[in-house]
Amino acid sequence: GNSVTQMEGPVTLSEEAFLTINCTYTATGYPSLFWYVQYPGEGLQLLLKATKADDKGSNKGFEATYRKETTSFHLEKGSVQVSDSAVYFCAHDGSNYQLIWGAGTKLIIKP
Amino acid sequence: DVKVTQSSRYLVKRTGEKVFLECVQDMDHENMFWYRQDPGLGLRLIYFSYDVKMKEKGDIPEGYSVSREKKERFSLILESASTNQTSMYLCASSRRIVQGYEQYFGPGTRLTVT
Repeated sequence: GNSVTQMEGPVTLSEEAFLTINCTYTATGYPSLFWYVQYPGEGLQLLLKATKADDKGSNKGFEATYRKETTSFHLEKGSVQVSDSAVYFCAHDGSNYQLIWGAGTKLIIKP
Repeated sequence: DVKVTQSSRYLVKRTGEKVFLECVQDMDHENMFWYRQDPGLGLRLIYFSYDVKMKEKGDIPEGYSVSREKKERFSLILESASTNQTSMYLCASSRRIVQGYEQYFGPGTRLTVT
């Protein structure tokens, strides 16, 4: 069935480090892929998305590329800041207008 | 900007009380969703709705009901609150399109049942 697997957290990095959060998916067809971010005490916000193979989504210095051959959509950022500390969710669209969610990865950035 | 608002950020209720959580969106979205979020369990779908007066059960509907009388408003009802319903509740909405239907979330309601 449909599923999304994310790397377990928490992920702890120092400021200005390079970030990768892995995400792989299982789905039929060609789903759209999403990364959402949840800052402490808030709801989820769409960070970026990609709708077809080889598309690159980007926003706020974050990037992710839709890799059909490896069914992956890894999130990357070249230099993280303390303000990037949050929980990050990977998702893809499933049937009936629902999103299939990963478990979330907590990111902690230390100054 | 799409706006999804929820009636309360924090709510404290007693066991056995009937609880209403309200969600309103201003982008004329057809689809609306209620999730609960618990540490270590991620997001779990409670109910969703494709249209006015329509509702579908999600993964964990037990102990909850919903109401959608107007397109912009989707209410979650806890008929008789219990302590195991203490959680963060998130409402979301999306357009009814074929693909790429990203969801827009409200700020969440943190409910504590004592």
